[in-house]
Amino acid sequence: AQSVTQLDSQVPVFEEAPVELRCNYSSSVSVYLFWYVQYPNQGLQLLLKYLSGSTLVKGINGFEAEFNKSQTSFHLRKPSVHISDTAEYFCAVRKGAQKLVFGQGTRLTINP
Amino acid sequence: EPEVTQTPSHQVTQMGQEVILRCVPISNHLYFYWYRQILGQKVEFLVSFYNNEISEKSEIFDDQFSVERPDGSNFTLKIRSTKLEDSAMYFCASSEGQAGGPNTGELFFGEGSRLTVL
Repeated sequence: AQSVTQLDSQVPVFEEAPVELRCNYSSSVSVYLFWYVQYPNQGLQLLLKYLSGSTLVKGINGFEAEFNKSQTSFHLRKPSVHISDTAEYFCAVRKGAQKLVFGQGTRLTINP
Repeated sequence: EPEVTQTPSHQVTQMGQEVILRCVPISNHLYFYWYRQILGQKVEFLVSFYNNEISEKSEIFDDQFSVERPDGSNFTLKIRSTKLEDSAMYFCASSEGQAGGPNTGELFFGEGSRLTVL
């Protein structure tokens, strides 16, 4: 069965510092991976997705993620964070035809 | 830009009451979903809907829950007799449903309906 593990429930970083949010998946078949962001009191917004092709995927707001099949990981990175990046970040894997299975979420807190 | 809209944004109800949460998916999408997020927890799949029937449901989606597409635009989630543990944010989502297409698997979410059961 496909599942997703986000290793960190909370990640505090200083503004302009780099950040990496970790995500590992388990799947026995081809994977489609996603990162969604949830800003306070808002819905889920797609940051980026990996379907096939280049393992380095660039998304919105300066985020990128790298699909690593050997390590079954899809970590999210940003070289320099801003206060406005404070949010909950969810890694997800597609299961079946269309359903998404989400990880537990990582709360990113940016300190000035 | 097309978006998924949900109403109400927040509903407070008494335990045992029926609740209907409404969603208007993106117009050309074919798959519809309900997810929920209990406060502080992860987003959980409830049900998917395609071609006017449920295509998949989770163990959470018991007989108290039902979904309907009453017309060409709305997609509703009904909870027949609410329990305290139904308090959560409920997200509606839709997707194009074209496997292999450029938006394969991408779900577009609404902003959620917060349900508080007292």
